[in-house]
Amino acid sequence: DVKVTQSSRYLVKRTGEKVFLECVQDMDHENMFWYRQDPGLGLRLIYFSYDVKMKEKGDIPEGYSVSREKKERFSLILESASTNQTSMYLCASSLWSNQPQHFGDGTRLSIL
Amino acid sequence: GESVGLHLPTLSVQEGDNSIINCAYSNSASDYFIWYKQESGKGPQFIIDIRSNMDKRQGQRVTVLLNKTVKHLSLQIAATQPGDSAVYFCAGPGGSNYKLTFGKGTLLTVNP
Repeated sequence: DVKVTQSSRYLVKRTGEKVFLECVQDMDHENMFWYRQDPGLGLRLIYFSYDVKMKEKGDIPEGYSVSREKKERFSLILESASTNQTSMYLCASSLWSNQPQHFGDGTRLSIL
Repeated sequence: GESVGLHLPTLSVQEGDNSIINCAYSNSASDYFIWYKQESGKGPQFIIDIRSNMDKRQGQRVTVLLNKTVKHLSLQIAATQPGDSAVYFCAGPGGSNYKLTFGKGTLLTVNP
């Protein structure tokens, strides 16, 4: 079974802090994704990566950056956290394009 | 742009009944669809997928039907159990080979 592990289930940070969310997958998948999930808005893609050191903006990249230095690890960075970034953050990976994405259990991030 | 959407935000069924969750999509060129289940406090879990060269695909207690003429797909769950209570999403191509677009989700409640 695919295992996507997010480093924290719950995280509380302060406005203006730089926040790192980590994600690791163990199935040698090429593609990795970061989403946020908000009530009434569903899943929205922030960034994705189709190869090491490659990244593409998703639908809502503003205020975020990503890093993929190794194939198995994809980090989401909130450069200067704001209260409107309070959300559930979900990481996913897929083997190739047009393949199922497999999700971690999410990080519930609160920005105070 | 591409979109997928579910017909009903909530569905309530009796234990043992069959459940049907419906989804519509806008892009007739869409060639791949996925159903996910998300339980409270967890990330979305892959259930089953279907490609456009198929009309039907069966898994364990689940069947997905694809009607390309009316751009509609459905997830059928046989003999619904309390453990099936969750939010169900359909997902389809999101404008590139890597991206998915997700429906908002249907909350399935199974009554004992």
